Amino acid sequence: EAGVAQSPRYKIIEKRQSVAFWCNPISGHATLYWYQQILGQGPKLLIQFQNNGVVDDSQLPKDRFSAERLKGVDSTLKIQPAKLEDSAVYLCASSFDWGVSETQYFGPGTRLLVL
Amino acid sequence: GENVEQHPSTLSVQEGDSAVIKCTYSDSASNYFPWYKQELGKGPQLIIDIRSNVGEKKDQRIAVTLNKTAKHFSLHITETQPEDSAVYFCAASNAGGTSYGKLTFGQGTILTVHP
Repeated sequence: EAGVAQSPRYKIIEKRQSVAFWCNPISGHATLYWYQQILGQGPKLLIQFQNNGVVDDSQLPKDRFSAERLKGVDSTLKIQPAKLEDSAVYLCASSFDWGVSETQYFGPGTRLLVL
Repeated sequence: GENVEQHPSTLSVQEGDSAVIKCTYSDSASNYFPWYKQELGKGPQLIIDIRSNVGEKKDQRIAVTLNKTAKHFSLHITETQPEDSAVYFCAASNAGGTSYGKLTFGQGTILTVHP
């Protein structure tokens, strides 16, 4: 079974530029999560989708971050404009269905450096 | 919201020794406690989890214990091997509850196993 796929794996941008990350969850998984992991810390949830609907975006900085999952499968996370403090690893995870199975499977992450 | 504290932040052991990592949580409604292993440049990988209706769970050299009264849970690794070296994260969630299964992670423990 293929795991969670993410691209790109690495990205270097200058502050005030925009960047987008892509995630393809495990086939059949209804729930998709985006996490931000700052160096030396645990992952922090940014947004959670159930199919193509948002169920939790309480920790998403909505003035600069946006995310979508239009067809209930792939998802994109965008930052515009980027700040220095956005340098982190952005992890995508998926689960079969948050109300049925709690197990979350993580992708390899996208490492973002903002200069 | 939930708050998870993890200790120690770093742990160094000799090959063959045991390693113990401890976490405390604040929300008594939390009922699902996974442990993740994260190797350099990779996403977190689930290694074991426990639910609140169970006090202990074991999988080969790895075990997890849960004390609901004290709100703490621990990871035990026996007969450690160099390949166990990684960052370990504990997490907690109220699976099936109003938080939609949101995971709150601890700060992580860097485990180093010396040959």
